[in-house]
Order: sequence, then structure tokens, then C-alpha cells
Amino acid sequence: SYELTQPSSVSVSPGQTAKITCSGDVLAKKYARWFQQKPGQAPVLLIYKDTERPSGIPERFSGSSSGTTVTLTISGAQVEDEADYYCYSAPDIQWVFGGGTKLTVL
Amino acid sequence: EVQLVESGGGLVHPGGSLRLSCAASGFTFSSHDMHWVRQVTGKGPEWVSVIGTAGDTYYADSVKGRFTLSRENAKNSVYLQMNSLRAGDTAVYYCVRGNGLDVWGQGTTVIVSS
Repeated sequence: SYELTQPSSVSVSPGQTAKITCSGDVLAKKYARWFQQKPGQAPVLLIYKDTERPSGIPERFSGSSSGTTVTLTISGAQVEDEADYYCYSAPDIQWVFGGGTKLTVL
Repeated sequence: EVQLVESGGGLVHPGGSLRLSCAASGFTFSSHDMHWVRQVTGKGPEWVSVIGTAGDTYYADSVKGRFTLSRENAKNSVYLQMNSLRAGDTAVYYCVRGNGLDVWGQGTTVIVSS
């Protein structure tokens, strides 16, 4: 079975750049997506096809890919960006998810 | 506005059943696959099931034979019938639009406990 591995936590100060990685063999052949999850709220798609940003998502969120690792970058992180972030991909009909990264901005 | 609203969660004893519903609005429901994804608090999500536009269904091995997913396009709704529930099924269940899981509902909580 496929696995996606993320760091459990990342911390930055407001205005700094946060980078969250996601690694897994499936990423060498399938696109990754990222969503943001805040307590009590529906998850929100941030990035699709490794690097594409849906309309309405701030430009400070960006994605990149290299081999079996994808990276979510938040340039100039803001306090409201404090949340859990998950990567996911679809090796077949099923989707696989990373374990999530808690971003602290303080 | 594209929206998914889940309902039907609750507390159930092991071996019991629940039926989750998901009402969709703001998009052409019949043109999209629909998924259910569940998440235990503090853990990564787990994909559960998908129903295609033609009604074809697929399930995670962990729920195969116990869960049944159906859709009713006239009501813009999908339904997840969950039988023989176990403690390990305890989670928040999200209804998610296909197209790369691009829109998620708020979730409904299922607790399986004696």
C-alpha cells in the first residue's frame, strides 16, 4: 500500500516562510494535492496538480515537486494560517493521505 | 456556492447500523463522482468509498461488505449505509466531491461504543 509522510509540526514567526514536505513513492507518478484544515471547519483545497492554486486561494500558498517529494510553501505566513495541512494523492481509485502537519505561527 | 452538508451521524453500539446522508448544492451533482472520507481526531484522513456518475461503487478494504454507498440524483444526494459497525469506525465522516476531492463538507461524527 502507498504511504505519504509529512512532518508532524512546523513552526514559524509571522512573516516568515513555512515549508511543509510530503514524501512518498506514489508522488513520482501521480499528482499531489494539499488541503488546509482548521478546527471545526471543512477542509479547504489549497493546491492541486502539485503546483496549481484554485481561485480564491491567496498567492502566498504555492506548491512544488521534485521526484517523490512535494512541498507546500507559505510565503509570509500569517497568524490565520495556523492550521493542519494534509497532502494527498490517488495511486488508483483510492486516495491516500499524509498524516498531517500542524503549522504554528507565533 | 458549492456546498456539501452531511447528516446522520451519532452514537451507535458495536454491531449496529447508521445511514449517513450528504446533500449537495451549487453544482451539477449528476456529473460528479462522490466520495466519503473519514478522519479520526488527530490522525490523517482515510478514504472510504466512491460512487461514480453511473452508480458504480468502490470501497476501502476496511469497510468492504459492511458499507454501501448509493446516490439519488433527483435529490442531489448520496447515502452511506453502514452496517456491522465497529469501534474502529469511530470518526468524522466527510462527503467530498470528486474532481480530485476538491470540495469537502463539514463532516458528521460517528461514535461506535457500548
